[in-house]
Amino acid sequence: AAGVIQSPRHLIKEKRETATLKCYPIPRHDTVYWYQQGPGQDPQFLISFYEKMQSDKGSIPDRFSAQQFSDYHSELNMSSLELGDSALYFCASSLAGLYEQYFGPGTRLTVT
Amino acid sequence: AQTVTQSQPEMSVQEAETVTLSCTYDTSENNYYLFWYKQPPSRQMILVIRQEAYKQQNATENRFSVNFQKAAKSFSLKISDSQLGDTAMYFCAFMGTSGTYKYIFGTGTRLKVLA
Repeated sequence: AAGVIQSPRHLIKEKRETATLKCYPIPRHDTVYWYQQGPGQDPQFLISFYEKMQSDKGSIPDRFSAQQFSDYHSELNMSSLELGDSALYFCASSLAGLYEQYFGPGTRLTVT
Repeated sequence: AQTVTQSQPEMSVQEAETVTLSCTYDTSENNYYLFWYKQPPSRQMILVIRQEAYKQQNATENRFSVNFQKAAKSFSLKISDSQLGDTAMYFCAFMGTSGTYKYIFGTGTRLKVLA
C-alpha cells in the first residue's frame, strides 16, 4: 500500500538560509499535518490543512509557512533558519472523518 | 487544553517478559481517541494500537493490549512476550474530536528489551 512520502529525507542548511520540505499524502487523503520533533523530544504539532485550506495552527514560528496544493501535496517553507530549527519534521495524512493519521518517514533538518 | 503525561522516561524488560507503560491524559471532551506509537531507532512513527473512548472494551493487537480507564483518564500499554525488536521509544497520543484532529503526544517512554 502507498505510504506518505516526504522529501528530502535529510537536509543540511546554514543559519539564515531557507529550506522547503515536501509531503505527498496517501492517495485520496485530503488532510495533511506537520509535526516537529526536536532531539529527545516528543513530536509537536505545527500546522494542518484540509482540502487545501489551513485547518489548525500550533506552535509554528512566523518564519515558517506552509500550504497544500491542488494535488493535496504540502510544502513547509522555513526561512531565516536558526540552530534550534534542527529537528525531525514529520508529515502525516488522513482522510477527513477518519481519526487515524499515517506518518511519513520524516525529514531530518540540520542547521549549522 | 488537553495534556498527555508519560511518567516513565525509561524502562527495561527481559525478553519474553511482560511490561506495562503508563499514560495519563487530561481532557474535558467526552469523545476522543488514544494511540500508542512506537518509534524505533529509524525514527519512523509506527502505530501500535488505538482506542476509541466510547468503546468500553480494551483494544488488543497480538502481543499488545491496553488498559483504558476512562474515568481515571488512564491509558496504559501492556506488551506481552517482549521481543528484542520491541526496543524503541513509545509515545502515547491523544486526539480530540471537537476541533481539528491534531495529535497531542506525551513525552515518551524509552523501552529496552534485554536478552
